[in-house]
Amino acid sequence: AQSVTQPDARVTVSEGASLQLRCKYSYSGTPYLFWYVQYQRQGLQLLLKYYSGDPVVQGVNGFEAEFSKSDSSFHLRKASVHWSDSAVYFCAASKYGGSGNKLIFGTGTLLSVKP
Amino acid sequence: EAAVTQSPRNKVAVTGGKVTLSCNQTNNHNNMYWYRQDTGHGLRLIHYSYGAGSTEKGDIPDGYKASRPSQENFSLILELATPSQTSVYFCASGGNRGRFGQNTLYFGAGTRLSVL
Repeated sequence: AQSVTQPDARVTVSEGASLQLRCKYSYSGTPYLFWYVQYQRQGLQLLLKYYSGDPVVQGVNGFEAEFSKSDSSFHLRKASVHWSDSAVYFCAASKYGGSGNKLIFGTGTLLSVKP
Repeated sequence: EAAVTQSPRNKVAVTGGKVTLSCNQTNNHNNMYWYRQDTGHGLRLIHYSYGAGSTEKGDIPDGYKASRPSQENFSLILELATPSQTSVYFCASGGNRGRFGQNTLYFGAGTRLSVL
């Protein structure tokens, strides 16, 4: 079955430190891959998305993600986090065509940035 | 900037009552979605629509109906609300690329529903 797994429910880092949030997917072929962010009491907003090309994709606010077909992963990274990055981050995936408009989300990772 | 508006923002309902959650988008997107968000489950797809007059079942449709009377509006209906439907509900709209999966979704701010 198609699935997206975020193994870390909660991550805490200090302001200025680097960050990696992990995401693994299980799909036949290569799906479209997304990272969304949810700030407190708000809807989700797109950070970045990937389907093909350079495996490192740049997003908003200094975020980037790296696709690995061999590892079935799409990890999110940031070189230096700010307190305002505290939020819940969701990895998501969907397929091309057919019922591809069904976006499947991981369970989310709560990021807490310590001052 | 894409705009998706949900109403109400908060709702308290009684068990067995009927609840209607409304969603309006001004993006002229064909595709609209209803998700619920629960701790430990992330977002799960309830119903979605490819355009006015169409509704499709998502992954957890039981106990929910959907209605898409126009391009702009997509409602989620709980005919007989149960406490297990207490959750945060998100509406989203996304793109005009038919069934292609690369559409970015634009989310509303959510409706917090409590069924007592």
